[in-house]
Amino acid sequence: EAGVVQSPRYKIIEKKQPVAFWCNPISGHNTLYWYLQNLGQGPELLIRYENEEAVDDSQLPKDRFSAERLKGVDSTLKIQPAELGDSAVYLCASSEGGASGGARDTQYFGPGTRLTVL
Amino acid sequence: AQSVAQPEDQVKVAEGNPLTVKCTYSVSGNPYLFWYVQYPNRGLQFLLKYITGDNLVKGSYGFEAEFNKSQTSFHLKKPSALVSDSALYFCAVRDMRNGGFKTIFGAGTRLFVKA
Repeated sequence: EAGVVQSPRYKIIEKKQPVAFWCNPISGHNTLYWYLQNLGQGPELLIRYENEEAVDDSQLPKDRFSAERLKGVDSTLKIQPAELGDSAVYLCASSEGGASGGARDTQYFGPGTRLTVL
Repeated sequence: AQSVAQPEDQVKVAEGNPLTVKCTYSVSGNPYLFWYVQYPNRGLQFLLKYITGDNLVKGSYGFEAEFNKSQTSFHLKKPSALVSDSALYFCAVRDMRNGGFKTIFGAGTRLFVKA
């Protein structure tokens, strides 16, 4: 079974430039998550999707960050414009969700995109 | 408040020795607890979870974790460490205030296994 796929794996940009990250979840997984992981810290949730609906985006800095999951499968996370403090690893995760969702649901993570803003 | 703490930034053990990576939690209601491992330049890999039932949970790669309700702990253990176990380990708990969908991660513990 293929895991969560993310691209690119690494991205280096200059500040004020836009950047986008792509995620393809595990087939059949209804729930998709974007996390931010700073160096030496655990992941922090940015946004959670149930199918195509963003059901929790309370931690997403909406002035510069946006996300979409138009057909309820792939998702894109965008930053525009990027700032120096955005340098981090952006992780995508997915879980079955639906009737088997909630607290018991296991999240499976992709390899992440390491963003460096110069 | 829902939280999880990993009191040790790093743990060092010799290969072949048992290892323990500590985790304590604070939640309202029943805890749903997870352990993940992260290798360099990789995403988090699921190791095991406690939902209900036996306090000793067995997971991937020979790891197990013991749920202790009275001590609010969920320590990760392995009877015999391998050099390849060297990685960053994260304990996590579900935030039940939001239906359990939000996961709160600890800061991580780096495990070093010496040959």
